[in-house]
Amino acid sequence: GENVEQHPSTLSVQEGDSAVIKCTYSDSASNYFPWYKQELGKRPQLIIDIRSNVGEKKDQRIAVTLNKTAKHFSLHITETQPEDSAVYFCAASKHGNKLVFGAGTILRVKS
Amino acid sequence: DSGVTQTPKHLITATGQRVTLRCSPRSGDLSVYWYQQSLDQGLQFLIQYYNGEERAKGNILERFSAQQFPDLHSELNLSSLELGDSALYFCASSVSQDIRDTEAFFGQGTRLTVV
Repeated sequence: GENVEQHPSTLSVQEGDSAVIKCTYSDSASNYFPWYKQELGKRPQLIIDIRSNVGEKKDQRIAVTLNKTAKHFSLHITETQPEDSAVYFCAASKHGNKLVFGAGTILRVKS
Repeated sequence: DSGVTQTPKHLITATGQRVTLRCSPRSGDLSVYWYQQSLDQGLQFLIQYYNGEERAKGNILERFSAQQFPDLHSELNLSSLELGDSALYFCASSVSQDIRDTEAFFGQGTRLTVV
């Protein structure tokens, strides 16, 4: 079945620096790639998503890039702030009814 | 607040027991998804219902079952519980049956502890 690998598992950056989280998916038929942010003890929340017909998408300080050939996609956060500290999950979907999640990345932004 | 309500928030039960987790979707949402989040398995899709019908099944054990009622709330039943079933169980809801078309909003989860 579909598998999504996510790296790194933990990431520490200084406030104001950029953070990059990378994911690789196994099923080339996957066509939807959302990213979720989960703060400690809270629910996952969608922060950005991208479809397979788009190479890049940006929303303020957050951007996602997709390389279909290599089957990987990345989350970029610029000008990180302490409130960006959370666990970030990538996911992939083929049919739109099931999300396969990566293992998560703990992002710590040090002030 | 996402508008998705899950009850109870916490549940502690013994091995071998049966529990029912409840999810009330956002008003107007027809689709309900159940996910299990554990330290070793991460976030795993269990099952999806749309307007009362099962639409997709993931890594859901035979000891687990779910249903969506006419008022669109959903219940996840876990039976013959084992220690390894201890996890955070999330429900999410969306308007459409395709998560690519409309965002799925997660509830706050039910933390199940099996002792």
